[in-house]
Amino acid sequence: SQQGEEDPQALSIQEGENATMNCSYKTSINNLQWYRQNSGRGLVHLILIRSNEREKHSGRLRVTLDTSKKSSSLLITASRAADTASYFCAMVGEQGAQKLVFGQGTRLTINP
Amino acid sequence: DTAVSQTPKYLVTQMGNDKSIKCEQNLGHDTMYWYKQDSKKFLKIMFSYNNKELIINETVPNRFSPKSPDKAHLNLHINSLELGDSAVYFCASQDSGRAGEQFFGPGTRLTVL
Repeated sequence: SQQGEEDPQALSIQEGENATMNCSYKTSINNLQWYRQNSGRGLVHLILIRSNEREKHSGRLRVTLDTSKKSSSLLITASRAADTASYFCAMVGEQGAQKLVFGQGTRLTINP
Repeated sequence: DTAVSQTPKYLVTQMGNDKSIKCEQNLGHDTMYWYKQDSKKFLKIMFSYNNKELIINETVPNRFSPKSPDKAHLNLHINSLELGDSAVYFCASQDSGRAGEQFFGPGTRLTVL
């Protein structure tokens, strides 16, 4: 299975600090994506990184990808209370139909 | 102008009943998905349709039957509901020409009593 694993499962930090979440996966990928889910809501796409990319930025988000270690990290800088949510990594495999295979998520809490 | 909408938002029903969840997207996408999120927040794909054709069926019991009347709609019918079907069901859509980003609906929380 290509299911991802996220680490940590839960993270609680103070507002203004940086938050780092990690994702590991098992098989080769075409791309890896990060999504955010606020409580009781659907998922919102944050950023996509392709297998031939190593780093990507979007606002306060920074994503890295290490295909040799089959891992990715999401860094949120200068966290805000509104960043409180669950964050999921999702992988798209190299072959076949485009389906997202999700990790189990990291629950991030930003304390004011 | 909601992009991906689902109805109903909440569904509470008895074991053994049959129920349907509807999904509509107004993004002009050609691919739609159903995902199931369990109580531990684990999200798993169930089905995918591209231009009304089933392209992914992930070992889902045949009590679950998706139907896509057109490429903007993907409905999910569930027969003989079981306790284990309780979960949040998410619909998503994607432009297959753009590898990656999927747009999710708000979810339908199904509770089977």
